[in-house]
Amino acid sequence: EVHLVESGGVVVQPGGSLRLSCAASGFTFDDYAMHWVRQAPGKGLEWLSVITWDAGSTYYTDSVKGRFTVSRDNSKNSVYLQMNSLRDEDTALYYCAKGAASFIVAAGLDYWGQGTLVTVSS
Amino acid sequence: EIVMTQSPATLSMSPGERATLSCRASQGVGSNLAWYQQKPGQAPRLLMYHASTRATGIPARFSGSGSGTEFTLTISSLQSEDFAVYYCQQYNNWPPWTFGQGTKVEIK
Repeated sequence: EVHLVESGGVVVQPGGSLRLSCAASGFTFDDYAMHWVRQAPGKGLEWLSVITWDAGSTYYTDSVKGRFTVSRDNSKNSVYLQMNSLRDEDTALYYCAKGAASFIVAAGLDYWGQGTLVTVSS
Repeated sequence: EIVMTQSPATLSMSPGERATLSCRASQGVGSNLAWYQQKPGQAPRLLMYHASTRATGIPARFSGSGSGTEFTLTISSLQSEDFAVYYCQQYNNWPPWTFGQGTKVEIK
């Protein structure tokens, strides 16, 4: 059974930094792209970033480009999101999600974690 | 960036009724479209991919159709557990993967 467990969400001041982690199990981790998606309180889903199965490529949405960095450690079945220069508008529940197709980036997201809450506030 | 627009924003339905949700893309995305269901306090769940293929474990009352710019998610007979928010997402032109703003299916 696929499990994704995010951690690292806390209250942080504007301008601060944070690293989120996502531990995966139940599938061949290094065969799949992994995504980060966030959801601000009471709002919809916003895709943030993806990293390919071999960490060879990463992609970001414009609102986080240059501030957030996605990485993965296939030996630990984990994906990370380093978040710098945090803003009030980054307050959200952050989900990691698994790409639905092996060795293919252009796919849906078939499994999601339960999310970790990041609050940016002074 | 492709903009995904869902309609209506809210659908008030009774159990047993047929629900039709729409999703429009600002430019063609082929069949590279997914639908997700999200219940309060839960993570999204993949319902459909490639516009019309049900994900693992999704009941047959859910069906998807469309290609290009116009897509539909149909729930043939609403069950109590189907009242939720539904999102479409394109994965044809990326980055970014883009979601619609969601359609809430509520009990009438």
